[in-house]
Amino acid sequence: KAGVTQTPRYLIKTRGQQVTLSCSPISGHRSVSWYQQTPGQGLQFLFEYFSETQRNKGNFPGRFSGRQFSNSRSEMNVSTLELGDSALYLCASSFAGVNTGELFFGEGSRLTVL
Amino acid sequence: QQPVQSPQAVILREGEDAVINCSSSKALYSVHWYRQKHGEAPVFLMILLKGGEQKGHEKISASFNEKKQQSSLYLTASQLSYSGTYFCGTYNFNKFYFGSGTKLNVKP
Repeated sequence: KAGVTQTPRYLIKTRGQQVTLSCSPISGHRSVSWYQQTPGQGLQFLFEYFSETQRNKGNFPGRFSGRQFSNSRSEMNVSTLELGDSALYLCASSFAGVNTGELFFGEGSRLTVL
Repeated sequence: QQPVQSPQAVILREGEDAVINCSSSKALYSVHWYRQKHGEAPVFLMILLKGGEQKGHEKISASFNEKKQQSSLYLTASQLSYSGTYFCGTYNFNKFYFGSGTKLNVKP
């Protein structure tokens, strides 16, 4: 079966701009979670959506937001970009969710903020 | 709270064993283990939901001590393909945290 698809794979933005990343989960999975990975902070959980509802949330500012559509595809938005937002953004799809389920990760979207 | 992983790095020869530990200051509902190779996405190894339960996957197994809020990943008879960074992930109080990772390098 098809894996988790993230688009775009690479993007460059400037400070103050906003960005939207997309994640298409494995068919049948209702949970999509998002993560930020940087060399300094490691892998950090942003939030999880399950059946279009945000179910769990990490410790990121409100500039980071997301949503999930009825087909389980999810988008993540970062507004007013800062240099420190440069990172690899990973999404993961799961049947049961981050609390009890296996997470299948996409290849990630690498964001560079100049 | 981010779980604490130890050691930060391990170098092994093929066939040797390793143990990676993950501990949390908070009560845990579940513990995940993932392996990430350079330039690739993390790959699921196993998840543990009950205290003291041990799970296995070929030569990789793990335990979860709910009372001590600790989990350990056991790699036996390591292979070259085991090289990568291992992360534990913990879920509690509606938050999910990954540990800082353990870099494992298996040499011939």
